Amino acid sequence: AQRVTQPEKLLSVFKGAPVELKCNYSYSGSPELFWYVQYSRQRLQLLLRHISRESIKGFTADLNKGETSFHLKKPFAQEEDSAMYYCALSGSGGGADGLTFGKGTHLIIQP
Amino acid sequence: GAVVSQHPSRVICKSGTSVKIECRSLDFQATTMFWYRQFPKQSLMLMATSNEGSKATYEQGVEKDKFLINHASLTLSTLTVTSAHPEDSSFYICSARAGGPGTGTQYFGPGTRLTVL
Repeated sequence: AQRVTQPEKLLSVFKGAPVELKCNYSYSGSPELFWYVQYSRQRLQLLLRHISRESIKGFTADLNKGETSFHLKKPFAQEEDSAMYYCALSGSGGGADGLTFGKGTHLIIQP
Repeated sequence: GAVVSQHPSRVICKSGTSVKIECRSLDFQATTMFWYRQFPKQSLMLMATSNEGSKATYEQGVEKDKFLINHASLTLSTLTVTSAHPEDSSFYICSARAGGPGTGTQYFGPGTRLTVL
């Protein structure tokens, strides 16, 4: 069974400090990993997907297959980064491949 | 960008009645739509995968006779909660994807808050 673990329910850092949101996964095949963000009173939106290897809003995430991790990082946090962040996994191959979400981490950036 | 809408945004109904929730992709054709459920302060749980023109695939533990899904066109999927009970009260969220399995990003709707009295 596939599983996504986000160990921190809440993470509070000061503006300008580095941020790392942890995500570990378990999946027997080759998964596709995503980070979704939900700002207050808004819908879920895609932040990153590992196959894109791009940086969005200063955030990056590297897939580490050895450690089965996909941690989200940003070197300098901004107040507008305060939101709920969900790590998600999609199985490869055909058939149904909806997302398996972690429980989410509430990121608070303090001024 | 790709926009997904849901209607209604919130609904309150009496126990025993049925409720239909619509999910529409507004500016793209969605080969696949997904239905998720989110309980308060919990994560999203996949309920079912809906492919246009075929039967939905339900996740383990989700009653297909209770949660009827229809994906009649490439821009519309509906979720009907039949004979709703208070324990069905939840936040239901749909997402839509343009490509087939393993391709494309899922775009999420704003969700529908269902309260069953």
